[in-house]
Amino acid sequence: ETGVTQSPTHLIKTRGQQVTLRCSSQSGHNTVSWYQQALGQGPQFIFQYYREEENGRGNFPPRFSGLQFPNYSSELNVNALELDDSALYLCASSLAGASFADTQYFGPGTRLTVL
Amino acid sequence: AQSVTQLGSHVSVSEGALVLLRCNYSSSVPPYLFWYVQYPNQGLQLLLKYTTGATLVKGINGFEAEFKKSETSFHLTKPSAHMSDAAEYFCAVSVIQGAQKLVFGQGTRLTINP
Repeated sequence: ETGVTQSPTHLIKTRGQQVTLRCSSQSGHNTVSWYQQALGQGPQFIFQYYREEENGRGNFPPRFSGLQFPNYSSELNVNALELDDSALYLCASSLAGASFADTQYFGPGTRLTVL
Repeated sequence: AQSVTQLGSHVSVSEGALVLLRCNYSSSVPPYLFWYVQYPNQGLQLLLKYTTGATLVKGINGFEAEFKKSETSFHLTKPSAHMSDAAEYFCAVSVIQGAQKLVFGQGTRLTINP
């Protein structure tokens, strides 16, 4: 069974640029959630995709967008990068999408640095 | 709104000593609670979760947590610390707002002294 994978591992961008992060969900999982973890903080929910549709969003501006593909892999896109976007971006996959008891399995993360 | 508070951003114990990491929650509905561990430069790994039923939950690596409704707490314990337990620990509550999202605490960094 393959776990959650993310690419790239590290990324350096400059202010105003755009970035795409990728995530492959765990085998059999149809739901992907994205979180942002700033240095020294707990992860913050960005949004979730279930069967290729966004079904929930946290308090992030529209320049954070995503996609989910038929194989349930996902992308996170961030436009007009700001310095505060520097963080570890975590992807998590799960089975059901809207169940309190669901376990979310996390990938290793992508470390984004914005200069 | 549902939230969790982790008391103590940094806990230091000696190898072989009891580990106690504190988590208090706020929830208007019966909470579903999780503990995750994060090793340096890695993602989050599930230690254990509480859904319903037995209030004492056993997890991986010898950790356990007890759900206490009267105290709105879900503290994580391990009887004897190992050097390999050094990591960041996060408590989280599950929230449904269209999607299931996890609301995390600020984290507790556990240091093990030899």
